[in-house]
This record gives sequence, structure tokens and C-alpha cells, in this order.
Amino acid sequence: AQSVTQPDIHITVSEGASLELRCNYSYGATPYLFWYVQSPGQGLQLLLKYFSGDTLVQGIKGFEAEFKRSQSSFNLRKPSVHWSDAAEYFCAVGVSDDKIIFGKGTRLHILP
Amino acid sequence: DSGVTQTPKHLITATGQRVTLRCSPRSGDLSVYWYQQSLDQGLQFLIQYYNGEERAKGNILERFSAQQFPDLHSELNLSSLELGDSALYFCASSVDAITDTQYFGPGTRLTVL
Repeated sequence: AQSVTQPDIHITVSEGASLELRCNYSYGATPYLFWYVQSPGQGLQLLLKYFSGDTLVQGIKGFEAEFKRSQSSFNLRKPSVHWSDAAEYFCAVGVSDDKIIFGKGTRLHILP
Repeated sequence: DSGVTQTPKHLITATGQRVTLRCSPRSGDLSVYWYQQSLDQGLQFLIQYYNGEERAKGNILERFSAQQFPDLHSELNLSSLELGDSALYFCASSVDAITDTQYFGPGTRLTVL
């Protein structure tokens, strides 16, 4: 069955430090992969997406993600976080029948 | 502001009741998606409509139904409500397919007492 795993429920980093949020998926075919961010009390906003081609994808707000087929991973990275990045981050996989499966989310806390 | 509007913002009702949530997509978007977000289940895809037709179905209960009208707005109907239906319900819209960016509305928070 298709699934998305975000192994870290909470992550805390200091402002200015680098960030990596992990995401692993289970899907037989080449997946469509997404990262979304949800700020408190808000809807979700797409950070970036991957369908094919270059495995390093650039997104908004300085985020990037790398698709690694051999590891079934799509980790999100940012070289230097800002206090405004504190939010919940969701990895998602789109499957062939137009469904999207979301991970449970990783809540990012930023230390000043 | 994503351009997707949802009404109402908050809804409080009792078990056994029926409610309707409304979503207006961004101008030009033909696809509407409904999601449920709860602490227990996380974010779950419920159903997708494209230009008035159901296109994809996720973990939607039989007590729930949706439709998309000719003006492309969509409604999610929840009936015989149970305590466990309390959640945040999001609508998202996109131009067409899953590969297009989905824009999320602010959500409707449903509380079932």
C-alpha cells in the first residue's frame, strides 16, 4: 500500500542553523512528491514538488528537496532557518488515480 | 490569501446532525479537493471533483458526500455526525490534475458536541 513516513514528529533548530526534514514514501511507480507548509491557524501552502527530471528541486522561501529513488526519500532542506519558518511541514505523495497521501507532519520549532 | 474561500470558518453542532461546508475555488481552477485534518488521523484526502464530475475518492465515509456545481463551487455534506467527525476540513483547488499546484483555503473547523 502507498504510504508516507515522516519519522520526526518535532524538530527544534536554532535560528540560522541548517535544516533537514526527512520523508520516506512507499509507492510502486514513480511518484509525484510534494512538500507543504502549514502555519498555525492557516491552510497549507505548497513549498515544492517533484514529478521527473532533476532530482534536486528548488522551492519557495529558500527550501529545496532531493529525490533519492534508491532510498525512497524526498528530504526537505534549508541552509539557514528563520524564526518565521516555525510551522508544520507535510510531505505528500500523489498516486496514479489522482489521490494524495500525506505524512503525519513534522512540527518545526526555532530557537532564537 | 490563496484565493480559495471556505464558509463557515467555524461550525458547532450536535451528534446526529447534518452540516454543509462550502468552498469557492480560485478563478479559473476546475478541480476541487476536500481534506479532513484531525489529531488522530492527520491530513486525509476525502474526494476530488473536476468540472462538476467526481474524479478521485479517498477515505470518505458513506455519511459524507460532496458535489461541484456548474459555477464550480463545491459543497461537502456531512450527516449523522459523530464526535469523531470533529476536525478541520480543508478545500483546495487547482487548474486540473494532481500535477498542478493545489491552493488551500483557510479551512472550516467543525466541532461536534
